[in-house]
Amino acid sequence: EAQVTQNPRYLITVTGKKLTVTCSQNMNHEYMSWYRQDPGLGLRQIYYSMNVEVTDKGDVPEGYKVSRKEKRNFPLILESPSPNQTSLYFCASSFRDRVSPLHFGNGTRLTVT
Amino acid sequence: RKEVEQDPGPFNVPEGATVAFNCTYSNSASQSFFWYRQDCRKEPKLLMSVYSSGNEDGRFTAQLNRASQYISLLIRDSKLSDSATYLCVVNDYGGATNKLIFGTGTLLAVQP
Repeated sequence: EAQVTQNPRYLITVTGKKLTVTCSQNMNHEYMSWYRQDPGLGLRQIYYSMNVEVTDKGDVPEGYKVSRKEKRNFPLILESPSPNQTSLYFCASSFRDRVSPLHFGNGTRLTVT
Repeated sequence: RKEVEQDPGPFNVPEGATVAFNCTYSNSASQSFFWYRQDCRKEPKLLMSVYSSGNEDGRFTAQLNRASQYISLLIRDSKLSDSATYLCVVNDYGGATNKLIFGTGTLLAVQP
């Protein structure tokens, strides 16, 4: 089944404790992206990747890192999480580029205390 | 003006009703338009792309009005299962910033 898989689904952590949210897609998509969704603000792009070893900042990259060592994987790293990073996170991929229809993972709800 | 604006709703409609949502966008150079559906606390899923000539998929009709810079989604014969948030998505075309911009969504609640 074609899908984008994120893990974990739920994560509660404390300020400053490094964490990684994994994202993997099995559709051979070139483009991958991370979003956060907050009430009243909609989906905001954190980072995106056009292909392996190519990553770039989205609209809200501060406090996040990503890597794209393999085409299928695009992990999101929070080196020192803070409470303002409490949010619902989605990984997404598309066949080609930034404006092709996106396939989303099922989300990671992160709480930082 | 926001890049993509939607009426947040909620739109409360009875089963069987016809309901329409509009979404306005600010960039006249935008070329790609989509409607996504998002159920509570779940991932957005592509409902349909919006083409210049308008397009229909079953009970759903999407239209684009370039002159007034808005897209619309019409749902006929509403079902309880149509209850969700509908996200308008537009590409913000221009130089290096060509990317998808998501609206904050319109909440639809179909009542029995």
